Amino acid sequence: QVQLQQSGPGLVKPSQTLSLTCAISGDSVSSNSAAWNWIRQSPSRGLEWLGRTYYRSKWDNDYAESVKSRISINPDTSKNQFSLHLNYVTPEDTAVYYCARESSGLDYWGQGTLVTVSS
Amino acid sequence: SYELTQPPSVSVSPGQTASITCSGDKLGDKYACWFQQKPGQSPVLVICQDGKRPSGIPERFSGSNSGNTATLTISGTQAMDEADYYCQVWDSSTVVFGGGTKLTVL
Repeated sequence: QVQLQQSGPGLVKPSQTLSLTCAISGDSVSSNSAAWNWIRQSPSRGLEWLGRTYYRSKWDNDYAESVKSRISINPDTSKNQFSLHLNYVTPEDTAVYYCARESSGLDYWGQGTLVTVSS
Repeated sequence: SYELTQPPSVSVSPGQTASITCSGDKLGDKYACWFQQKPGQSPVLVICQDGKRPSGIPERFSGSNSGNTATLTISGTQAMDEADYYCQVWDSSTVVFGGGTKLTVL
């Protein structure tokens, strides 16, 4: 059974970096048949895909155009986890952030983390 | 960018069939998935690749996709099916979600 456990701060100041981690159990971040995603949800933007990291002979990433200039998603093979870093946040980045495995669809999700951007 | 359109709300009586639509340009050429989300919970995948149900999803959930419309059908709707439902597709290398439909069982 795959489980995704999210961790990270719930409050970030404007212009700073939002950082979250998703720890994986029951699968490997280095799997050749899965990708590891970050998705956020807010009342104004609904569900919004942010990006993914995956391993297919080498590591690669895909990012949403809306955040491409300030996002990075990184694997950590030593801890079997992956992280989200979103730079220069504004109040519009306030949302519930989810990590999710993409294998047979987005089939496993983390518990969600409410991140508020406020001074 | 690719857009998916869902009706904001759908109502159904218990035991009846609920149909939730998702529209997009040539949507039938893409794989569509559906998620159920209850208040305070993470989304749950209920249908993917147009019609496949993940393990543990009741048989009353089914999906179809043709032309410009994908449809999630819930047969014999139960009170526990009241939730928000989201469609999702892949467009190039990105993931796109619909705006969501609130299903009310009354």
